[in-house]
Amino acid sequence: NAGVTQTPKFQVLKTGQSMTLQCAQDMNHNSMYWYRQDPGMGLRLIYYSASEGTTDKGEVPNGYNVSRLNKREFSLRLESAAPSQTSVYFCASGLAGIWPYNEQFFGPGTRLTVL
Amino acid sequence: AQSVSQHNHHVILSEAASLELGCNYSYGGTVNLFWYVQYPGQHLQLLLKYFSGDPLVKGIKGFEAEFIKSKFSFNLRKPSVQWSDTAEYFCAVIFTGTASKLTFGTGTRLQVTL
Repeated sequence: NAGVTQTPKFQVLKTGQSMTLQCAQDMNHNSMYWYRQDPGMGLRLIYYSASEGTTDKGEVPNGYNVSRLNKREFSLRLESAAPSQTSVYFCASGLAGIWPYNEQFFGPGTRLTVL
Repeated sequence: AQSVSQHNHHVILSEAASLELGCNYSYGGTVNLFWYVQYPGQHLQLLLKYFSGDPLVKGIKGFEAEFIKSKFSFNLRKPSVQWSDTAEYFCAVIFTGTASKLTFGTGTRLQVTL
């Protein structure tokens, strides 16, 4: 089992460029999440997908879009990158059905720099 | 808004010292509680979790945490830290009514010196 995988590992963009971060999981989880990690701020939820075919905004969705391509894959798109989006991005997956919800498993992260 | 607080931002300990990291959340309802660890350059890994039952939970690598409902706290402890425990530690909470969304604290950076 690879768990949660993310591509790319590193990316440098210029302001205004677009890109898509890819995430895949092989644990048959129904829920997937995108977070950003900034120094001193912990992890903040950008978007999540409770199940295949659904997506919802998290705490900091502005400037991002997501696609739940199938049960395994959940991509994050920056349409017009801004320096404020410089961050480390983590994808996670978990089994979320009825309470109590179980833990989330995290990918290795993508370090994005926007110049 | 529901929130999670970690008041210790940076902790420096010598090897063999005891560790306690604080975590408080602002909510009176039912919660699921987690501690994650992030070693330098790595992704987050689960240390331990609490859903219900015995409020003292044991996790991996000798860590434990105690849930005190009256204090809205879930503090992480380890009796004797090792240099390899140098990492960032995050408390996270799932609040009822928020689907399965995790709310993270800002993290505590632990540095263990030899």
